[in-house]
Amino acid sequence: DAMVIQNPRYQVTQFGKPVTLSCSQTLNHNVMYWYQQKSSQAPKLLFHYYDKDFNNEADTPDNFQSRRPNTSFCFLDIRSPGLGDAAMYLCATSRAGAQSDTQYFGPGTRLTVL
Amino acid sequence: GQQVMQIPQYQHVQEGEDFTTYCNSSTTLSNIQWYKQRPGGHPVFLIQLVKSGEVKKQKRLTFQFGEAKKNSSLHITATQTTDVGTYFCARGGSNYKLTFGKGTLLTVNP
Repeated sequence: DAMVIQNPRYQVTQFGKPVTLSCSQTLNHNVMYWYQQKSSQAPKLLFHYYDKDFNNEADTPDNFQSRRPNTSFCFLDIRSPGLGDAAMYLCATSRAGAQSDTQYFGPGTRLTVL
Repeated sequence: GQQVMQIPQYQHVQEGEDFTTYCNSSTTLSNIQWYKQRPGGHPVFLIQLVKSGEVKKQKRLTFQFGEAKKNSSLHITATQTTDVGTYFCARGGSNYKLTFGKGTLLTVNP
């Protein structure tokens, strides 16, 4: 089945130790998104790619970076995780046939920072 | 991005009771999407509304888009324990982005 896959599902890192989260999709969608979701809150968009074009949200800290080497894969790099970065990180994709197409979410990676 | 206000924040019902969550905007919406997130899960798309006054149904779920396209609602008839989760509305915007409401957490007492 076509889907959005995130690895790992759970990630534990130490304060200040870089971590990379990965997302892959078999939907062949143009747009890939990274969201941060904290407990009892809505998903907060960090950035998204339209094909290779990177779109950063104005309030996304520089500590968060992303790479999209090809259509199928997208990575979230947290350069120096702080305790406040502990959250669920959700990857999503959309077809981009319209400006606001349905978004398909992966299962998420829950990040713990010790 | 422009906000969408969603109420209530929490709703606890007895199984079999109805449930409604509301989404409001101060500006006209081009479209509104609804997502459901089960506890421990990820958001799953339910529906998109585009037309003024649109009403769509999915089994026990009824979705409405206001005539002025500034509000929307999701109504669940005769809730079941499987309806538990957080329901988010999300407004479509430019550049392929969605702006999510804060969500309504529904709990159902069996």
